[in-house]
Amino acid sequence: KNQVEQSPQSLIILEGKNCTLQCNYTVSPFSNLRWYKQDTGRGPVSLTIMTFSENTKSNGRYTATLDADTKQSSLHITASQLSDSASYICVVSPGYSSASKIIFGSGTRLSIRP
Amino acid sequence: EPEVTQTPSHQVTQMGQEVILRCVPISNHLYFYWYRQILGQKVEFLVSFYNNEISEKSEIFDDQFSVERPDGSNFTLKIRSTKLEDSAMYFCASSATGQGTQETQYFGPGTRLLVL
Repeated sequence: KNQVEQSPQSLIILEGKNCTLQCNYTVSPFSNLRWYKQDTGRGPVSLTIMTFSENTKSNGRYTATLDADTKQSSLHITASQLSDSASYICVVSPGYSSASKIIFGSGTRLSIRP
Repeated sequence: EPEVTQTPSHQVTQMGQEVILRCVPISNHLYFYWYRQILGQKVEFLVSFYNNEISEKSEIFDDQFSVERPDGSNFTLKIRSTKLEDSAMYFCASSATGQGTQETQYFGPGTRLLVL
């Protein structure tokens, strides 16, 4: 069964610290993996997108990695800011054109404390 | 930067009433989507729409639901007779091309629907 699992479920860190969020998936065939940021009460906003041939993708202080062999991805946030407090969702698309088959993870709720 | 907009931001309705949620996708996008997110749960796909017809729909999207693009800009989701379990955040999204490419879906801010 195609699944996307994220860990940790929630995380609290101090402002200025780094953190890494994990995503494991069992989606097959694989097309691409996206990380979204979702502020409370808002829609998800795309941070990065990677295909199986890409190992890393950066967007400012956000760096996503992908290991297609182990089916794992991580999102690293550097020098965290209070505005980084949000849910981070890993989304995996299978290798065929089908919106209904896109799998959303449950997200990691990140809280940045001053 | 162009963005997807949704109205209303909040909607409270009585069980059994009809609601229409409205979305204005990004103007040059061709694919439109509705998702819902029950509080504390994952985002769930409802329906995709292209070329004025439904491309795909999930099991959630039963006969109580319908979508329409009444003019060149709006994309609506209608729930004919709301149930308590329809209470959720409903997100509209659009993309320039469909899935299977690296195209990103752009999400609106959502409509929070509460059915009493």
